[in-house]
Amino acid sequence: DTGVSQDPRHKITKRGQNVTFRCDPISEHNRLYWYRQTLGQGPEFLTYFQNEAQLEKSRLLSDRFSAERPKGSFSTLEIQRTEQGDSAMYLCASSMTGNGYTFGSGTRLTVV
Amino acid sequence: DAKTTQPNSMESNEEEPVHLPCNHSTISGTDYIHWYRQLPSQGPEYVIHGLTSNVNNRMASLAIAEDRKSSTLILHRATLRDAAVYYCIAKSGNAGNMLTFGGGTRLMVKP
Repeated sequence: DTGVSQDPRHKITKRGQNVTFRCDPISEHNRLYWYRQTLGQGPEFLTYFQNEAQLEKSRLLSDRFSAERPKGSFSTLEIQRTEQGDSAMYLCASSMTGNGYTFGSGTRLTVV
Repeated sequence: DAKTTQPNSMESNEEEPVHLPCNHSTISGTDYIHWYRQLPSQGPEYVIHGLTSNVNNRMASLAIAEDRKSSTLILHRATLRDAAVYYCIAKSGNAGNMLTFGGGTRLMVKP
């Protein structure tokens, strides 16, 4: 068990470009969550999967954001046409139903 | 999830106990109280959770008021490695499986 892995750790992109982040959860965890965190704030919920089904999406998740978990294992979060306001830490977490959440170390996105 | 209120920051001396308070006056009967902490440049880390009874684990203790409107996270002997932002979350046991984070308490530990 290597915990929750996120790739890349850092991403710098130009405004208007598309970016994709990957999350590998703990293998036996059926739930996977994406959060966004800006400096000095607590993490904000974006979306959550149970197995491969995306069960909930925050209103923060605009049309430019899409998340997938195709086989109920790893997940990707894509941001299209990035804006400077998208600069943040993107955190992934996984859990087994009813238990504590394990977070990854996050992907820090900087849009220039 | 019910709203929680925590002090923005607290200071502690190394090797002394730390009591981190949290108010959750609108908590419902099925809401669990979760505590997570976030060290610099890392994702949040689970600390402890409970419903009604006080809870202990290797990291900390959780004391829950009898009316459940407040709780206290207790670190028995603070170390420099405990310096982090501590989040108290009253998580709904019903719909919505996400954690709703507030601003948390930034704990500073002085040597």
